[in-house]
Amino acid sequence: GQQVMQIPQYQHVQEGEDFTTYCNSSTTLSNIQWYKQRPGGHPVFLIQLVKSGEVKKQKRLTFQFGEAKKNSSLHITATQTTDVGTYFCAGRYMDSNYQLIWGAGTKLIIKP
Amino acid sequence: KAGVTQTPRYLIKTRGQQVTLSCSPISGHRSVSWYQQTPGQGLQFLFEYFSETQRNKGNFPGRFSGRQFSNSRSEMNVSTLELGDSALYLCASSYTGTGDYGYTFGSGTRLTVV
Repeated sequence: GQQVMQIPQYQHVQEGEDFTTYCNSSTTLSNIQWYKQRPGGHPVFLIQLVKSGEVKKQKRLTFQFGEAKKNSSLHITATQTTDVGTYFCAGRYMDSNYQLIWGAGTKLIIKP
Repeated sequence: KAGVTQTPRYLIKTRGQQVTLSCSPISGHRSVSWYQQTPGQGLQFLFEYFSETQRNKGNFPGRFSGRQFSNSRSEMNVSTLELGDSALYLCASSYTGTGDYGYTFGSGTRLTVV
């Protein structure tokens, strides 16, 4: 079946360091969405990418969609404690009847 | 405007019982999806309803069922509860049937089966 692989599962960083999570699909995606879930909270929609090669920025967050629309990344520059949480990607395929296929998430942990 | 409302927030049930969870989407949202989340397991898709019709279904046993009413409110039911059904159940709604503006999640119902 269709799968979206997300890596890494965890990333430990010192505050101020950068963070990146990657999502990969074996087949072309129609679009991809990114969500953030704070500890004890629920997922919150961050952004949707639709176009091949698209790059979008939200302050310190940079989202990219690959040229082939099979991969995507989220990069956070100079992490802060407020960035702690799990970041999920969710892709939609052309023939998926609009169903989102979720990555397993990457948990961002700030080292004390 | 009001967000996605899930009730109840917490629930404790005994193995073998059944449970019904409720979700009221944002006004105007016609798509409602349900997810199960357990520690370390990410988001497991249960089903999605759009305009009262089940459009997609995840790989869960038939004990898990749902429905959507004409006002877009949705319920999910789990019959013959098992200990492994203990989880956070999340509901998400979307403005369009394609979810192109993202999904808004509720705070979830935390179900504990003892």
